Amino acid sequence: DAGVIQSPRHEVTEMGQEVTLRCKPISGHNSLFWYRQTMMRGLELLIYFNNNVPIDDSGMPEDRFSAKMPNASFSTLKIQPSEPRDSAVYFCASFPGVTEAFFGQGTRLTVV
Amino acid sequence: GDSVTQMEGPVTLSEEAFLTINCTYTATGYPSLFWYVQYPGEGLQLLLKATKADDKGSNKGFEATYRKETTSFHLEKGSVQVSDSAVYFCALSDRNTGNQFYFGTGTSLTVIP
Repeated sequence: DAGVIQSPRHEVTEMGQEVTLRCKPISGHNSLFWYRQTMMRGLELLIYFNNNVPIDDSGMPEDRFSAKMPNASFSTLKIQPSEPRDSAVYFCASFPGVTEAFFGQGTRLTVV
Repeated sequence: GDSVTQMEGPVTLSEEAFLTINCTYTATGYPSLFWYVQYPGEGLQLLLKATKADDKGSNKGFEATYRKETTSFHLEKGSVQVSDSAVYFCALSDRNTGNQFYFGTGTSLTVIP
């Protein structure tokens, strides 16, 4: 298996633009997490899906952020409109329900 | 609710020094415990894990023992190398909370020659 695949690896966008981050979890894993990592706040859980259903989105910072998981093999995190304070590394992780969670390489987002 | 508390960083050690990074947890059930490592510019990778009390996880010279009586999972290495410089995260997963994963804040380790 290729592991958790995130795209793009790097994204630079202007303030006010819509940004969509993508994640392909490992096949057969039934849970998916989106995290944001910054120097100031460390690793923050944004949202957690189980069997494609959002279970806990209390970490989503505000209405500008939305996440979907239309099927077991794909998830998106969208920011609309983006702001400079959204600049961070965004990680996706998938979890089979036992053992450990597997992380993607992350998307480094810069909003200018 | 479930949570993980780990030692604040950053930590700076000389090569071949002994490393301890403390981690304690709070959980409603019987969680599995993990240490993840993040090298610069990369995602988090599993370093070691333990799934029940008194289990010892080990990998690459690192060890951690699941201590239920003290709710701890401290990371240790007897002799660190420059290549161990990274950020280390303690984490737990608990089936009682729907397989949610909880991470500590991370501890940055720098090993100097």
